[in-house]
Amino acid sequence: AQTVTQSQPEMSVQEAETVTLSCTYDTSENNYYLFWYKQPPSRQMILVIRQEAYKQQNATENRFSVNFQKAAKSFSLKISDSQLGDTAMYFCAPNAGGTSYGKLTFGQGTILTVHP
Amino acid sequence: DTGVSQNPRHKITKRGQNVTFRCDPISEHNRLYWYRQTLGQGPEFLTYFQNEAQLEKSRLLSDRFSAERPKGSFSTLEIQRTEQGDSAMYLCASSFRGETQYFGPGTRLLVL
Repeated sequence: AQTVTQSQPEMSVQEAETVTLSCTYDTSENNYYLFWYKQPPSRQMILVIRQEAYKQQNATENRFSVNFQKAAKSFSLKISDSQLGDTAMYFCAPNAGGTSYGKLTFGQGTILTVHP
Repeated sequence: DTGVSQNPRHKITKRGQNVTFRCDPISEHNRLYWYRQTLGQGPEFLTYFQNEAQLEKSRLLSDRFSAERPKGSFSTLEIQRTEQGDSAMYLCASSFRGETQYFGPGTRLLVL
């Protein structure tokens, strides 16, 4: 079974600054995907960024980038030029490989608050 | 494409009643997932379908829970004899070939 640890329950950042959210996970699979999702207050889960485990290059999506360390099973999210709309709960979620390919295991989440 | 939709968005019921939720996935997506999320926590996997076949069920899915996906299109999640511990947000997600999952807005259930 996969386990996911997000060690920062809450983070805060000033608008326009950079913040990094950490995530570690445990899996026995070799081929899998990793995701960061955001969930604004009372709103639905939105995909932020995706990383394929077989790719060495870190994924980037506009202001969002990841630092993926496969051997260390670490998958952190960096948000540059933070905006007020980035305020949300952020979840790290690897998906399961093998016969459970696709099932997501979520971390406990990190509440990010962006201050003006 | 309007994304994943879920109905109803909110449901209040009394303990012991049955409830049914519906999920309509993105049209070309062959996989459909149900998750449960309690306040302040990450979602937990309940079950998933590939087309009409239910391929995996979590141990969280007790005998009171049943899910269907007739004809591989929409899915329903039914909870029989609801308990207060069933109060949660029920999330549906869909994907193509098990890759990126796109989530619906969820159904928030409150059992009184």
